Parts: sequence; structure tokens; C-alpha cells
Amino acid sequence: EAEVAQSPRYKITEKSQAVAFWCDPISGHATLYWYRQILGQGPELLVQFQDESVVDDSQLPKDRFSAERLKGVDSTLKIQPAELGDSAMYLCASSSQYQEETQYFGPGTRLLVL
Amino acid sequence: QKEVEQNSGPLSVPEGAIASLNCTYSDRGSQSFFWYRQYSGKSPELIMFIYSNGDKEDGRFTAQLNKASQYVSLLIRDSQPSDSATYLCAPGPRNTGKLIFGQGTTLQVKP
Repeated sequence: EAEVAQSPRYKITEKSQAVAFWCDPISGHATLYWYRQILGQGPELLVQFQDESVVDDSQLPKDRFSAERLKGVDSTLKIQPAELGDSAMYLCASSSQYQEETQYFGPGTRLLVL
Repeated sequence: QKEVEQNSGPLSVPEGAIASLNCTYSDRGSQSFFWYRQYSGKSPELIMFIYSNGDKEDGRFTAQLNKASQYVSLLIRDSQPSDSATYLCAPGPRNTGKLIFGQGTTLQVKP
């Protein structure tokens, strides 16, 4: 069964350092989402891509976060500089253009900022 | 008012009982409703979705939707200890793909 891939699974960094997360969606899925989930809360959308274009990044803290999906396939989310409050699970999800609202999640990257 | 409200729980039920999880939402434009299950430390996995008012059944799971009351629920029949997890409700407007998640309800099924 096709799955969304993410790496790394865990990341520990010090504040002010840069971190990057990678996501490879299910093959053929045109829509890709990055979410942040703080412990005890539901996932919050950071950015949504349709192919290589950003559809929604209204909740992305653009002073420190950036996201790209240059060829419309895999994607990278970057934080620079990391802050203590960025400690969370970062989830990537994808959906097919034909079933665009059914989102399938990857295993996530758990970030700890010290 | 939060966009999606769920009782954080924990909701504790004995094994074999029916677990009832509830969710209210504020956006009357929401057209589709998703239930995800999330085990501790893991990512959310889709259980089921519902678009139309009424009930939708899938195995031991039944989703119920009442758009007039802006209310959606998930019933789990014959609850098993393996059902112990956090259940996330996510309404979404059609054609945008954007889901707004509630904070989730933690379910504990006791053997």
C-alpha cells in the first residue's frame, strides 16, 4: 500500500539552529499539506501545495518558516532559526485531485528544540 | 468560539460497550466531515468520512451528521482495548481541501 514518506522521524536541535524536514507524498497525489501538531492539540495546517504552487500558507510563520515543492512531487519544510516553541510533531499529508479532501498522513517528524 | 469543538476526555468505556464521540463545528459552509484516529506518538489515520445528513456505517464504526445542528458524532460498537486512542474530528469545506481539526477526544477502553 502506498504511503507518505517523511524524514527524519526525530530531530533534536538547539534554538537558533536551522532544521529541515522532507516529505514524499503518495505517487500521483497533486496536493500536499504540512501540519504542525502541538502535544494535546489537533493538527494545524501550515501550508498547502497544489502541484508546485502554494494554495494556502496563511498560518505559516513566514519570518522563520519556508516551504517548497519545486517539481510538484516531494517537499521540504525549513525552520530558521528554530525557537523553543517550535517543538512539536510536523506532519505531512497528501491527497489525490480526484479525492482531494481525503488526506493521508505520513509518520511525522518529532522536533525537540533545546 | 472555536471552529471545531470536541471534549478532550478522557472518555472511558468498558470493553464491549458503545463509545460515543461528539464534535460541533461553527462553519455552516462545511460540506464534508472526517474522523481520524491517532495513537499516542503516531500520525492520524483516516477512519471514515461523511458528506450527507444521517448515518454512515463501516464495520463497528458509525458516523452521524446533523448539518442543521452543526453536529457530527462517531459511534464505536463493541469497543476493544485496541480502540484506545485520540479521535480527531475534521470538518472541511468542499473543493478547498483544507481541514480544520478539533483538539481530539481521548478514548480509553478498559478490559
